[in-house]
Amino acid sequence: AQTVTQSQPEMSVQEAETVTLSCTYDTSESDYYLFWYKQPPSRQMILVIRQEAYKQQNATENRFSVNFQKAAKSFSLKISDSQLGDAAMYFCAYRRERQAAGNKLTFGGGTRVLVKP
Amino acid sequence: DAGVIQSPRHEVTEMGQEVTLRCKPISGHNSLFWYRQTMMRGLELLIYFNNNVPIDDSGMPEDRFSAKMPNASFSTLKIQPSEPRDSAVYFCASSTGYNYGYTFGSGTRLTVV
Repeated sequence: AQTVTQSQPEMSVQEAETVTLSCTYDTSESDYYLFWYKQPPSRQMILVIRQEAYKQQNATENRFSVNFQKAAKSFSLKISDSQLGDAAMYFCAYRRERQAAGNKLTFGGGTRVLVKP
Repeated sequence: DAGVIQSPRHEVTEMGQEVTLRCKPISGHNSLFWYRQTMMRGLELLIYFNNNVPIDDSGMPEDRFSAKMPNASFSTLKIQPSEPRDSAVYFCASSTGYNYGYTFGSGTRLTVV
């Protein structure tokens, strides 16, 4: 079974600075997708960024970027120029590309990001 | 597009009562998922459907939990009888294709007293 591990329960960052969240996963598959979700206090789960395993180029979405290391099974998220609105729980998630049916996500335990003004 | 719609947003019920949570997925999405979120266990997949058919219900904790998807635009998660340990936030999510992440609803916070 696939597992996703986020080793940092909480990270603190100064406003306008950069913070990096770690995620590792375990899989025997070669084709899969990885995601980062943000959950602010409103509890809404918001997709931040996704990465296809077959792509070597790291995904970027505005101030959010990933460092995808397939051999190391590592998928970190970098938040640049941190803003107060970035304060939230962040979840790393994995999904196999090939499924007999369905495409379920497996989530890590989450990292809480605190942004200091 | 109104997104994934869940109701109710909050539910407080007494132990032993039946609870029904509702979800309307995004039109055109063919996969629907029910997750439970607690502090202790994080986000757990309870069950998911593909084209209205239950594919994997191995995450359903026990027989007190049941889920249905009678059509492409509606799903329910029922707990009967409810217990205090069922208190959690229950999320419904839908998706289409393999390229995309899910779109989540706002969740239902269930409190069983």
